Amino acid sequence: DAKTTQPPSMDCAEGRAANLPCNHSTISGNEYVYWYRQIHSQGPQYIIHGLKNNETNEMASLIITEDRKSSTLILPHATLRDTAVYYCIVSRYSSASKIIFGSGTRLSIRP
Amino acid sequence: GAVVSQHPSRVICKSGTSVKIECRSLDFQATTMFWYRQFPKKSLMLMATSNEGSKATYEQGVEKDKFLINHASLTLSTLTVTSAHPEDSSFYICSARDQSSSGEEQYFGPGTRLTVT
Repeated sequence: DAKTTQPPSMDCAEGRAANLPCNHSTISGNEYVYWYRQIHSQGPQYIIHGLKNNETNEMASLIITEDRKSSTLILPHATLRDTAVYYCIVSRYSSASKIIFGSGTRLSIRP
Repeated sequence: GAVVSQHPSRVICKSGTSVKIECRSLDFQATTMFWYRQFPKKSLMLMATSNEGSKATYEQGVEKDKFLINHASLTLSTLTVTSAHPEDSSFYICSARDQSSSGEEQYFGPGTRLTVT
């Protein structure tokens, strides 16, 4: 599975958009980009995923570059409850495909 | 979304004893489940892949005789930490994908915090 690179930490003002970048330059054609987050002492929570098109759901938007070598997760109106570690992961779609976590980005939302 | 539960949520045991952690998919079936371990301020580390009806596949460096995995049904996988020692104290998390749905997300349990005294 391809490796991802994320900044170790970021901060954002409450109410503003939080843009979290991720590089995955070795992604292969059948690998999806997934984003999860982990709030302290809880299991990871699924946020969004995509293959090559931009995606949006009730939680976030995912922008994937045309060459698929990088992506950005956008939380449109960050709240204090969005403070968490955000993980960008690339993985093939299969019930048996492993999800390998990198070090993630620790996002702090300031009031 | 689908739900994965873990039991117990936290457990304290004495050094040398064994502890069993259960992982259940509550509203879907999963032929494959995954077990992770997380130390404080660290990322999740994949320990093993649990396969229903067959042997688990362990990641490099994970002792299969110490971390026994059993996946006896399509909704239950168990992790037993045998002869636990204080260094086994950690946050253990399981996950699973719904094999029947068209969704591609993997669901994680809430985790089990193990403390070995």
